Amino acid sequence: DADVTQTPRNRITKTGKRIMLECSQTKGHDRMYWYRQDPGLGLRLIYYSFDVKDINKGEISDGYSVSRQAQAKFSLSLESAIPNQTALYFCATSARREGMNEQFFGPGTRLTVL
Amino acid sequence: SQQGEEDPQALSIQEGENATMNCSYKTSINNLQWYRQNSGRGLVHLILIRSNEREKHSGRLRVTLDTSKKSSSLLITASRAADTASYFCATDQAGTALIFGKGTTLSVSS
Repeated sequence: DADVTQTPRNRITKTGKRIMLECSQTKGHDRMYWYRQDPGLGLRLIYYSFDVKDINKGEISDGYSVSRQAQAKFSLSLESAIPNQTALYFCATSARREGMNEQFFGPGTRLTVL
Repeated sequence: SQQGEEDPQALSIQEGENATMNCSYKTSINNLQWYRQNSGRGLVHLILIRSNEREKHSGRLRVTLDTSKKSSSLLITASRAADTASYFCATDQAGTALIFGKGTTLSVSS
């Protein structure tokens, strides 16, 4: 079984709809992250959380919100989706180890906003 | 803004050849990491090099780090068709979140 799972894997929605992307992990990591990937732009950080009570904005948090429901679950919401939020979204986790924060990625969610 | 910038953006080689990708960054770092992404899939961690290290090996991978030049290189020796993927460097500045570059797309033909 995959250590980091994302649901749904693909989603097509319309402008103005509320969308939630979910991420679950079985790695026992404290830290979780949400990224979006656009062609030619690499990965950009949306939000990250270092434990259940900790939420931090990343480079491109506008238009997004997150919820850390438990150590193992971190969801990303688009309150009112717009077409330029069409992208590939990745969740990632890492352990709290000083200087050794390699990240483990989920398979991604391909979101299309029409 | 992105910290790491990979060079070249795209690289095409033949099987058996070596592939070298470079990464430059702007500010001091705790460590630098390289990741691989097969088309449309999640990234996979390849190797981490700490700021006090200059070179590190893992199988056919060799990573160097020059903190004075704020640059790193990833060398893949004896490339295989299965190495075809995008490769990203990521920097850890202060033990917070990683900052990823835009990636190098490697194509290895048989």
